[in-house]
Amino acid sequence: EIVLTQSPGTLSLSPGEGATLSCRASQSVSSSYLAWYQQKPGQAPRLLIYGASSRATGIPDSFSGSGSGTDFTLTISRLEPEDFAVYYCQQYGSSPLTFGGGTKVEIK
Amino acid sequence: QVQLQESGPGLVKPSETLSLTCAVSGDSISSGYYWGWIRQPPGKGLEWIGNIYHSGSTDYNPSLKSRVTISVDTSKNHFSLKLSSVTAADTAVYYCARAYGSGSYCWFDPWGQGTLVTVSS
Repeated sequence: EIVLTQSPGTLSLSPGEGATLSCRASQSVSSSYLAWYQQKPGQAPRLLIYGASSRATGIPDSFSGSGSGTDFTLTISRLEPEDFAVYYCQQYGSSPLTFGGGTKVEIK
Repeated sequence: QVQLQESGPGLVKPSETLSLTCAVSGDSISSGYYWGWIRQPPGKGLEWIGNIYHSGSTDYNPSLKSRVTISVDTSKNHFSLKLSSVTAADTAVYYCARAYGSGSYCWFDPWGQGTLVTVSS
């Protein structure tokens, strides 16, 4: 199965700053079948990005996804207070589909 | 808009079978999507359990396949999860979600709110 490694584990930033989150796959993710989710405490994950770079409905353009092959990135251009959360990547190009371990974006 | 709601016992004894149901509202379970189960142990990451199509076709995570059964009831617009021979390692928040894609090649949106199932005697 494809193992997804997210880095860093924790990102300490201030509101207004930009964030760059990495997701590295143990083997190539076919057709850039990679999604990103945001999860806040006590809540279910929310889809942000699918197909590596397509924003889900209702997701602000401050969120963008990029990458291909084994290296993918989620960029938040300017952190709003509600963006502090845990972010997970998920690949669906190979069975079984797998999730990364998450990156926590916390307020500095 | 589609909403999903998990229900079932919050406490299951070791070696018994965990049973959960996901009620779908705002969309027909026969609308052409797949439907999935994902779990999250307390304080840990996400693990895919399996998906089902309204026809009854299923795809399971190989790590759980021997213990998992997912079924669908189109007349009730819900789908269900059974996980047998549970241990403490199966303690988790269990989520159901609508799956975009095909079989096990899916992403998930939206998710239910999740239900905590604790395995303990």
